[in-house]
Amino acid sequence: DTAVSQTPKYLVTQMGNDKSIKCEQNLGHDTMYWYKQDSKKFLKIMFSYNNKELIINETVPNRFSPKSPDKAHLNLHINSLELGDSAVYFCASSQFLSHTDTQYFGPGTRLTVL
Amino acid sequence: EDQVTQSPEALRLQEGESSSLNCSYTVSGLRGLFWYRQDPGKGPEFLFTLYSAGEEKEKERLKATLTKKESFLHITAPKPEDSATYLCAVQTPGTYKYIFGTGTRLKVLA
Repeated sequence: DTAVSQTPKYLVTQMGNDKSIKCEQNLGHDTMYWYKQDSKKFLKIMFSYNNKELIINETVPNRFSPKSPDKAHLNLHINSLELGDSAVYFCASSQFLSHTDTQYFGPGTRLTVL
Repeated sequence: EDQVTQSPEALRLQEGESSSLNCSYTVSGLRGLFWYRQDPGKGPEFLFTLYSAGEEKEKERLKATLTKKESFLHITAPKPEDSATYLCAVQTPGTYKYIFGTGTRLKVLA
């Protein structure tokens, strides 16, 4: 059983288009995240939702809009795509505990903007 | 500013040649330090969580240790299947956020 899944795996699109990436987790976790991994493999947090509430919103262009319809899903919509948006986007989930919480990652979506 | 630095950037080992990867951190406080393994084209795979200085965790050929300023991932007698990028992340108190290092690309030659 896949714990954290993302669709699509690959996304190739033209500049200026709007696209969405979907994420689902079946771990029963209450917190979900979006990360961007650049060409140098550096992972940077973009957004996080806890129980459908936005709790982390890093300095990300407002062309990026996350949406969490329920605790098990977190989608990422990107408007007016730019060349610099090309990267691998990872979804992750965790169960927030008082001590710490381990994040589990999906397989990634490779976005290429032409 | 909270920061995580990993070294070396890349490491080539012969099969059976033990070594260590380093993750040094400068943070306002430590809630947890995490090690992940990432294979090409895949998402990071969780390995260990360390909470306090002196703690150690082991899994097969891997052993993670933690001090107040850094963590080491020791690889004993590595095999080619241990080849991957190893990522370190820290979480500070009162936050959900992970701060990742840039990773160490490990290549184990047969």
